[in-house]
Amino acid sequence: DGGITQSPKYLFRKEGQNVTLSCEQNLNHDAMYWYRQDPGQGLRLIYYSQIVNDFQKGDIAEGYSVSREKKESFPLTVTSAQKNPTAFYLCASSPTLGETQYFGPGTRLLVL
Amino acid sequence: DQQVKQNSPSLSVQEGRISILNCDYTNSMFDYFLWYKKYPAEGPTFLISISSIKDKNEDGRFTVFLNKSAKHLSLHIVPSQPGDSAVYFCAARTPGGSYIPTFGRGTSLIVHP
Repeated sequence: DGGITQSPKYLFRKEGQNVTLSCEQNLNHDAMYWYRQDPGQGLRLIYYSQIVNDFQKGDIAEGYSVSREKKESFPLTVTSAQKNPTAFYLCASSPTLGETQYFGPGTRLLVL
Repeated sequence: DQQVKQNSPSLSVQEGRISILNCDYTNSMFDYFLWYKKYPAEGPTFLISISSIKDKNEDGRFTVFLNKSAKHLSLHIVPSQPGDSAVYFCAARTPGGSYIPTFGRGTSLIVHP
């Protein structure tokens, strides 16, 4: 049963702490993406990866970091430099860059 | 500067009636448009798309219309069902660069029984 999984569903971060959001896909897609959604806002692109070992900044990359060491995995780290991290984070993948995206269920990050 | 605009944050429709969700764009280079549907606490799912060489694309109860001269597209749902209640995102893509679509802010559709 192919798809994209994100974990955890909810994540709490303390001030000054880095946290990592997991994203795994078994669709054999080359491209993967991270978006952030805030209330009343659209999906804003944080980072994307066209292929393994490659990633590029999106529109709002400041305070975030990613890695793409495996085709199936694209973890997102929210660093302490991200001053307003509370949001709903969505991971997506597509067969190649720019094709129709398949989204995971999302992770809601809350700051304590 | 928003290149994809969904100016109606919400829409309420009676079951069985038509739902019309609107989307405007400013970038004349956009050549491919998509609609995604999102339920609360879930990821968006692809619904329907249209290329700029067409002005209409139909898939069951869902039809997307594109008016290039007005830089406007709309999603029609006929007949509307309570299960259609969700947030609908319009997205648009240019032919060059990264090809990654730009998303609008979404319209929340509520279909009343």
